[in-house]
Amino acid sequence: GQQVMQIPQYQHVQEGEDFTTYCNSSTTLSNIQWYKQRPGGHPVFLIQLVKSGEVKKQKRLTFQFGEAKKNSSLHITATQTTDVGTYFCAGISNDYKLSFGAGTTVTVRA
Amino acid sequence: NAGVTQTPKFQVLKTGQSMTLQCAQDMNHEYMSWYRQDPGMGLRLIHYSVGAGITDQGEVPNGYNVSRSTTEDFPLRLLSAAPSQTSVYFCASSLSGRVSYNEQFFGPGTRLTVL
Repeated sequence: GQQVMQIPQYQHVQEGEDFTTYCNSSTTLSNIQWYKQRPGGHPVFLIQLVKSGEVKKQKRLTFQFGEAKKNSSLHITATQTTDVGTYFCAGISNDYKLSFGAGTTVTVRA
Repeated sequence: NAGVTQTPKFQVLKTGQSMTLQCAQDMNHEYMSWYRQDPGMGLRLIHYSVGAGITDQGEVPNGYNVSRSTTEDFPLRLLSAAPSQTSVYFCASSLSGRVSYNEQFFGPGTRLTVL
């Protein structure tokens, strides 16, 4: 079945630095979604990518969908304490099955 | 709109007990689903529904039942609780009967402990 792998599992970042989390699928995806979960909270939708090679930006967050639609990345620039949380990707297969990655948990050192 | 609501927020059960986790949404969403979240394993789909009267199994359905008699409600039943079912449970909904092209809205979660 479809598997979505997300790396790294943990990311410890100095405030002000950049980091990237990666999402890789074993099969070609129809589209991919990204969610953020604050500590003690619930996942909140960030963005959806649909097209091959698509790049979308939300302020300091840049999302990319690979050309082969099998991988995606989230890059955060100038990390702030408000970026703390777990970031999940969710891949949607061509037969509309959704599979979440295990998430990247981000902590920030002030 | 209240969005997606879940009750209870916390629950402690003894092994073998049964209970129902409630989930309701007031956004007239067709698609509803239940996930469990365990450390290091992300969100795993238990059951989902693409509309009233239609349910299907997800990745980890064993030990759980669902029904969808109305668009608004999607309860999750634990038939005979086991310690392996200790987890945080999230209900989610999205607009379409298919997941693609629609963001999912998550409820606040139910933290379940089975002793």
